[in-house]
Amino acid sequence: DAKTTQPPSMDCAEGRAANLPCNHSTISGNEYVYWYRQIHSQGPQYIIHGLKNNETNEMASLIITEDRKSSTLILPHATLRDTAVYYCIVMDNNNDMRFGAGTRLTVKP
Amino acid sequence: KAGVTQTPRYLIKTRGQQVTLSCSPISGHRSVSWYQQTPGQGLQFLFEYFSETQRNKGNFPGRFSGRQFSNSRSEMNVSTLELGDSALYLCASSRGGAGYNEQFFGPGTRLTVL
Repeated sequence: DAKTTQPPSMDCAEGRAANLPCNHSTISGNEYVYWYRQIHSQGPQYIIHGLKNNETNEMASLIITEDRKSSTLILPHATLRDTAVYYCIVMDNNNDMRFGAGTRLTVKP
Repeated sequence: KAGVTQTPRYLIKTRGQQVTLSCSPISGHRSVSWYQQTPGQGLQFLFEYFSETQRNKGNFPGRFSGRQFSNSRSEMNVSTLELGDSALYLCASSRGGAGYNEQFFGPGTRLTVL
């Protein structure tokens, strides 16, 4: 079962930052936070992951709270092509990924 | 580098039949995971194979099985199909070594059971 809670949907204006929250209050010490997204009718795509420290790559930034009970994925300048379902997943390094319902992000012009 | 490929892309079967789906991972990847996606249940993990051995398993009945070959290609089989097995079946490959490995997903096989 998924160990995360995400809002079912969010809107964002094109060009603005999209901030997607995720609650994972039962996360254990050896579990990472991963983000994937799924654009309609395609397979999910990896975005970013982290353990304790904030992480940034070419796609997004991941901010994890100090107590690790929640995190935020930030898309700094959302485009229409970022419209997708975003999944926050917590797991240890065993490749056993349990997806929740995710957040459907709609980027509007 | 070629991505993950799945065959067939679309399949129509009737209740009671069985079906075999195929997944070819990215070259060099040794882990293949399978997922079922339905509108009602979302994305659900079926199982993961690494070096021809099932390493992780989700909560699906025994009608769902899989295997992996020495070239890392994987097949999943569903026997005695039910209407509720209609879904998009996705496979994902990763290097599969120690620690986390990014999973790369294929386009999926859409199975319709009539």
